[in-house]
Amino acid sequence: EAQVTQNPRYLITVTGKKLTVTCSQNMNHEYMSWYRQDPGLGLRQIYYSMNVEVTDKGDVPEGYKVSRKEKRNFPLILESPSPNQTSLYFCASSPIGQGASGANVLTFGAGSRLTVL
Amino acid sequence: AQTVTQSQPEMSVQEAETVTLSCTYDTSESDYYLFWYKQPPSRQMILVIRQEAYKQQNATENRFSVNFQKAAKSFSLKISDSQLGDAAMYFCAYRRTGNQFYFGTGTSLTVIP
Repeated sequence: EAQVTQNPRYLITVTGKKLTVTCSQNMNHEYMSWYRQDPGLGLRQIYYSMNVEVTDKGDVPEGYKVSRKEKRNFPLILESPSPNQTSLYFCASSPIGQGASGANVLTFGAGSRLTVL
Repeated sequence: AQTVTQSQPEMSVQEAETVTLSCTYDTSESDYYLFWYKQPPSRQMILVIRQEAYKQQNATENRFSVNFQKAAKSFSLKISDSQLGDAAMYFCAYRRTGNQFYFGTGTSLTVIP
């Protein structure tokens, strides 16, 4: 089944304890991205990647890191989490290019609920 | 900066009736993509419909259709014959050619039996 898999789905942690949220897709998509969803703010893009070793900041990158060493994986790293990073996080991917089937349409993971105490 | 505005935080519709959700966006580009995503209580984000800006014809997907007004930068979603399963949060989204995505703040749709 074509999908984007995020782990963990739920996590409670404490301020300053480094954590990584993994994201993996099995559709050979070039484009991958991370979003956070907060009440009243919708989804905001954190980082995105057009391909391996290519990453760019979205609208709210502060406090986050990403890496794209393999095409299928795009982990989100919180080096020193703070309570204002408590949120629902989504990873998503899509093919790119006008000719690609489903190009520009994001396929989302199921979301990761993160609480930082 | 690009922004996407959904001015209706909540909407309700009677089952089998029609409802329209509003979305406006701000851009200086001519080539871009617009989307409506649905988020049911399961939190899964599901694509409802998409529109390429270079296409003048409004997109349709079964009971879902859009009214795309490029000059007015408006992209509304019409849901016909509303069903209980349509109850969800709906997000309007814009994708520019540089591959950044921008989402609106969402409209919560309630379907009344």
